[in-house]
Amino acid sequence: DVVMTQSPDSLAVSLGERATINCKTSQSVLYSSNNNNYITWYQKKPGQPPKLLIHWASTRESGVPDRFSGSGSGTDFTLTISSVQAEDVALYYCQQFYYTPWTFGQGTRVEIK
Amino acid sequence: QVQLVQSGAEVKNPGASVRLSCKTSGYTFTNNHIHWVRQAPGQSLEWMGWIMAGSGDAQYLQKFQGRVLITWDTSATTVYMELRSLKSEDTAVYYCVREGGGFQWGQGTLVTVSS
Repeated sequence: DVVMTQSPDSLAVSLGERATINCKTSQSVLYSSNNNNYITWYQKKPGQPPKLLIHWASTRESGVPDRFSGSGSGTDFTLTISSVQAEDVALYYCQQFYYTPWTFGQGTRVEIK
Repeated sequence: QVQLVQSGAEVKNPGASVRLSCKTSGYTFTNNHIHWVRQAPGQSLEWMGWIMAGSGDAQYLQKFQGRVLITWDTSATTVYMELRSLKSEDTAVYYCVREGGGFQWGQGTLVTVSS
């Protein structure tokens, strides 16, 4: 199974500052035929289902604020929150859906400093 | 719009079985795979298995082989996930997820396994 390793496990940032979360996969999730990376990023708050933020590693879902962006290819990916807001306090997960079983990172907790 | 509405919370004794449902609407039911993912307290998300669009064939995570069964009722546009021989470690929120043009998640069902 593909191992997803996120870093850091948690980070505390000041309001308006940048937050960067990394995700490394144990195998490439880039499909060469369509040049798509089969990676998603989710935001998870207590009592709610995961909210899809980023699809195909860098495509922001409709309605997601543009302070959220995704980048990377192959085995290394990044979720960036350019200017953290109070409502961004949550757990964030990366997921690969190139292979079955789907696998998820262990999560990164974002808090306000 | 696409909706996945899951059944309500369950409390089960160890060794029992639970059957969860995921009622879908807003799209052609047999066009999209449905996955089941769970999250135990304090843990990450764990994929359990999926049922394939069109064929109804299912595939499961190895650790659940023999203990889980995913089925569907196309006339009811509903997917079911049965988990048998429950253990305390199966206490979790269980989600169904539609794969297609992104991913849509149900609201989740809390299953508590406790004597």
